[in-house]
Amino acid sequence: AQTVTQSQPEMSVQEAETVTLSCTYDTSESDYYLFWYKQPPSRQMILVIRQEAYKQQNATENRFSVNFQKAAKSFSLKISDSQLGDAAMYFCAYTGYDYKLSFGAGTTVTVRA
Amino acid sequence: NAGVTQTPKFQVLKTGQSMTLQCAQDMNHEYMSWYRQDPGMGLRLIHYSVGAGITDQGEVPNGYNVSRSTTEDFPLRLLSAAPSQTSVYFCASSFDRVSNEQYFGPGTRLTVT
Repeated sequence: AQTVTQSQPEMSVQEAETVTLSCTYDTSESDYYLFWYKQPPSRQMILVIRQEAYKQQNATENRFSVNFQKAAKSFSLKISDSQLGDAAMYFCAYTGYDYKLSFGAGTTVTVRA
Repeated sequence: NAGVTQTPKFQVLKTGQSMTLQCAQDMNHEYMSWYRQDPGMGLRLIHYSVGAGITDQGEVPNGYNVSRSTTEDFPLRLLSAAPSQTSVYFCASSFDRVSNEQYFGPGTRLTVT
């Protein structure tokens, strides 16, 4: 399995502010997909955003955007204008040619009112 | 569409007991997977299937069996439960072979005493 590393176990952000979550991965493949999933206290896994490695442009979904640095094997998630509903655990995930999805250990985001 | 459904939501087993976690999807997805989630370790792939009649091992397959007789169903069997199998189990399905964007069920919390 590919290695996905999330170096921040916990992050805290003030409501309406911006927070950035880090993710790095290890691979020798040239084409792959990266994802950020959100897991609120309900336990449901929710796809936040995905990035295709062959696309130079960083993916954006409303207040969520990524900074994809292929050469550095880095895939960070920026949450802008943070809302109380953004409080959750966030997982970075990688999939390559073998159809196996590898996850990082997760980052817990707390939003302060 | 109900999406991906899992039963039961909670289960307590004694060491040595066997049981089957059920997973079904009504989206006609070919690809289905089972993961376990443990604190500090993210989600780890147990087994996966790329279509009816085809299954393969993931990262942590020991102690688990799967079968895929239909497109809709992908049950996970614990042969002889052990306390190390205490975890939250997620089933997921995917429609896109290229991106492997996965849709997750609500999870089953299993405790083995």
